[in-house]
Amino acid sequence: SQTIHQWPATLVQPVGSPLSLECTVEGTSNPNLYWYRQAAGRGLQLLFYSVGIGQISSEVPQNLSASRPQDRQFILSSKKLLLSDSGFYLCAWNRGSNTGELFFGEGSRLTVL
Amino acid sequence: AQTVTQSQPEMSVQEAETVTLSCTYDTSESDYYLFWYKQPPSRQMILVIRQEAYKQQNATENRFSVNFQKAAKSFSLKISDSQLGDAAMYFCAYKDRDDKIIFGKGTRLHILP
Repeated sequence: SQTIHQWPATLVQPVGSPLSLECTVEGTSNPNLYWYRQAAGRGLQLLFYSVGIGQISSEVPQNLSASRPQDRQFILSSKKLLLSDSGFYLCAWNRGSNTGELFFGEGSRLTVL
Repeated sequence: AQTVTQSQPEMSVQEAETVTLSCTYDTSESDYYLFWYKQPPSRQMILVIRQEAYKQQNATENRFSVNFQKAAKSFSLKISDSQLGDAAMYFCAYKDRDDKIIFGKGTRLHILP
């Protein structure tokens, strides 16, 4: 069966520090991968998605970036965090078929102080 | 660009009653998918129901059904016989042909005993 893991679950970082959130999918190949941010009153904001290695679409460039070093690994990064980067980050995947159903990770709570 | 709008930040319904959550979207495409996801307090996202845009018949999953009005770009969710376990945040989502999936801001549903 397929599983998705993301870590760390909780992170407290000072403003200006770097960020790395990692997401890994197991039990499938060539998944579509997504990073979302959930902030109060803003719903689920799509940050990046990738339909294959080397293919990353950015929806909210700002100071965040994403990379897909391996087929089933998706990393969200920042060189310098802002206060506004605080939120709940969700990684998700789907099979890229027409069903489109997303399977979500457990989420990462980021607090920038 | 596509957008998804949920105009009801919060709603309440009496247990065993019926409630309808609203969702409108904007797109120039004719082929797409629409979803409703549920996020309970555990924060784990759960797919509630899915609708293919090319299907005129409204999707139904047990107590959950949708009213899909393609011309009006409306996709509402009806929950019948509301139960305490239905209390959650509900998100409407849109998937385009390129597997980009965007969400609305969500509606928090309260079930009154």
